[in-house]
Parts: sequence; C-alpha cells; structure tokens
Amino acid sequence: QVQLQESGPGLVKPSQTLSLTCTVSSASISSGGHYWGWIRQHPGQGLEWIGYIYYSGSTHYNPSLKSRVTISVDTSKNQFSLKLTSVTAADTAVYYCARSPSYGLGSRSFDFWGQGTLVTVSS
Amino acid sequence: DIQLTQSPSFLSASVGDRVTITCRASQGISSYLAWYQQSPGKAPKLLIYAASSLQSGVPSRFSGSVSGTEFTLTISTLQPEDFATYYCQVLNNYPLTFGGGTKVEIK
Repeated sequence: QVQLQESGPGLVKPSQTLSLTCTVSSASISSGGHYWGWIRQHPGQGLEWIGYIYYSGSTHYNPSLKSRVTISVDTSKNQFSLKLTSVTAADTAVYYCARSPSYGLGSRSFDFWGQGTLVTVSS
Repeated sequence: DIQLTQSPSFLSASVGDRVTITCRASQGISSYLAWYQQSPGKAPKLLIYAASSLQSGVPSRFSGSVSGTEFTLTISTLQPEDFATYYCQVLNNYPLTFGGGTKVEIK
C-alpha cells in the first residue's frame, strides 16, 4: 500500500516561505508512471490543486499560484517538496501531498494521499 | 479554467436511502471526471475516475455516470460510513479544479 507523509513547520510568519516535504513509502518516485503533487484545503472549504511533478522534474502548476510555487523532487530520498513564497494569512490551509497516475483512464486523479498537515500563517 | 458546479451543497438523508449528487462542468470534458469522498479530519479518498470507473476497493454501491456536461454520483444504499463530503474533479484540463463539494448529513 502506497503511503505518503507530509512534514514541515506548522507555523510560518507572513512574507516568509512555506516549505513542506512529502516522503513516499512502498512506491518509487523514480519508477515513473505517476505525478506527485500538492493540494490544499482552506479551513472549512474545498480543495485547491497547487501543482505536481514527474520524476524527471517536469512540473505543472496552478496559474493562480505559479509565481510563488516551486515543487521539486529528490529521487534518492524518495521525496518531493513544496515551496510557497511570500505567504499571507490566505495561505493558511491543510496541505496534502498525493499521487496521480500519469496515463490511463485515471490519469490526473489522485489515488493515494497523505494525511495532510495544517500550516498556519501568523506572526 | 473549467468550472465545476456541484448540487446540492448539502443533503440530508437516512441510512438505506438512494443518494444522487450532480456535478456540472462549464464546458465539455468528455468523461474526464473523478469523484472523491472526504470524511471529517481525513484526506479525500478516490471513489470513481473517468466518470464511471470504480476505484479498486470502493464498494459497488457507488456508481458514476455522465450525460453531456452533467455528471452524477449515486450511492445506491446509504451506509453510516458514507456520511461525508463529496467532491468532483476535472481530469483533462489544467488547472485541475474541484467542485465546491456536497456534504451528506444524517437526517
């Protein structure tokens, strides 16, 4: 069973950079066949796709966040990471990492998710 | 961007009921839609992809269909564990977007 686990600070100051890492177990990022992505959920609200990355480093980002987002991958550690710069209170959310098939009928769906981590932006 | 409009936003139902949730796309997306279930405090769980394909391990009481730009998630016989919020997601267009959600509550 594929497992994903988010890690990183739960509190970030306004204007600083939010940094999260997702560690993948029971699957190899470098095997290909999947994108590895980030989705966030503002408190009490719906889901927002942030972006995802392929093992090769190819990325797709949500245009609404693209200027502030970088997703990177470290295949040696079987991890991928999110950096969101110049954060404000509007970036307070639960951040999920998830796996997305890159081909087939289910491509671009998210079939395995981490448990999520709440990141609060506050001074 | 493709907008997904879910209806209703809230739904009260009883165990054993048949429940139908609708997701309407702002333009044609063929069958490129997924459905998720999210229980409180949990990550979303993939139920259906490609409009009607059941994800492995998901009970057969869940089904999906499409007619034009209107997608439907049906729960044939509502079980206690099905009280949750359901989201649709577009699969064939960037940015990947989700519907606003439908919360299924106990009547």
